[in-house]
Amino acid sequence: KNEVEQSPQNLTAQEGEFITINCSYSVGISALHWLQQHPGGGIVSLFMLSSGKKKHGRLIATINIQEKHSSLHITASHPRDSAVYICAGAGGGADGLTFGKGTHLIIQP
Amino acid sequence: GAVVSQHPSWVICKSGTSVKIECRSLDFQATTMFWYRQFPKQSLMLMATSNEGSKATYEQGVEKDKFLINHASLTLSTLTVTSAHPEDSSFYICSASKSGFYEQYFGPGTRLTVT
Repeated sequence: KNEVEQSPQNLTAQEGEFITINCSYSVGISALHWLQQHPGGGIVSLFMLSSGKKKHGRLIATINIQEKHSSLHITASHPRDSAVYICAGAGGGADGLTFGKGTHLIIQP
Repeated sequence: GAVVSQHPSWVICKSGTSVKIECRSLDFQATTMFWYRQFPKQSLMLMATSNEGSKATYEQGVEKDKFLINHASLTLSTLTVTSAHPEDSSFYICSASKSGFYEQYFGPGTRLTVT
């Protein structure tokens, strides 16, 4: 059974701070999704990674396949970044995702 | 590209009635669609996987006779909650995959409230 563990569960930071959210995953997972869920529930897919690093604006996602670990970084954080960030593992093939419990991020002005 | 829509975005129904939720891939053909459910303050849980033209595969603990899934075309999958009960109140999200592999595109979700 695939497993995904995320940390921290809750994170409050001041505007402008550098944010890191971590995700560890089990052997059966070969790709990681980072998702953003705003109040109201809609989900936005931020990144899908199977190796290396990806960057989009102020968001950076990295993955270390050997250590089975991924991180999501937010640079120059802003209150509009406040949301729940979820990592989700894909096992390959036509599989649904296995979700972490999410990190509830609050950026205070 | 890769936009997925869901309809309705929210629905309130009475206990015992059935509710249909549609998931559409607007600009691509989805060989596989996934249905997830999220209860308040909990993570998303996969309910079922559907491939166009074949029967859906349900996760353990999900009643296939209660949650009817039809993937009639490469752009449309429907989830029907039959004889809904208050405990079925939840946020239902679909995702669609072009190739059945890693990449999935999420719909905006449907909030179901059963009174």
